[in-house]
Amino acid sequence: GNSVTQMEGPVTLSEEAFLTINCTYTATGYPSLFWYVQYPGEGLQLLLKATKADDKGSNKGFEATYRKETTSFHLEKGSVQVSDSAVYFCALLDMDSNYQLIWGAGTKLIIKP
Amino acid sequence: EPEVTQTPSHQVTQMGQEVILRCVPISNHLYFYWYRQILGQKVEFLVSFYNNEISEKSEIFDDQFSVERPDGSNFTLKIRSTKLEDSAMYFCASSEEWSGTLDFGDGTRLSIL
Repeated sequence: GNSVTQMEGPVTLSEEAFLTINCTYTATGYPSLFWYVQYPGEGLQLLLKATKADDKGSNKGFEATYRKETTSFHLEKGSVQVSDSAVYFCALLDMDSNYQLIWGAGTKLIIKP
Repeated sequence: EPEVTQTPSHQVTQMGQEVILRCVPISNHLYFYWYRQILGQKVEFLVSFYNNEISEKSEIFDDQFSVERPDGSNFTLKIRSTKLEDSAMYFCASSEEWSGTLDFGDGTRLSIL
């Protein structure tokens, strides 16, 4: 079945460091891909998405490119801030299961000032 | 900006009791979902709901669980005869279409004693 694998956390960085959180997927066809973020004590929010190969999703300085050849959707940010501390979830839209979201395990990001 | 609201934010219940978790989706959304997140673990799909019926449900969503849209605004999750392992964060979400772009509530933390 379809699945999403994320790098394990926590990831701890200093402010202004470069961030990469790896996400790879297994799927039939070409599903839409998403990054959701969960700030402490809050619900999940859509951060960005890409619906087809080579699309780049971007929001709040974060970017991720849909790479069909490597089945990846890595999240990047050039200069992180303390306020980016959160849990980041990669997900794919499973069109084989009536459009469920299939989630990665989440990666906790800790940014130190 | 419209948002999904969930009540209560925290529910403590004795094992074996019934609980009802409530959600008010965004008013013009047509698709509704429940997810849960056991502490420190993955986000898990429970059920999706469209046109007053269940569209898809996971293996977790057994006879213990039910959903209802009792009026034009609320969407509820009922858990009968709760078990210790039902302790989790339960998230309601809604969307305009089957696109994976979901709006989530802040969740209800359910603690079974």
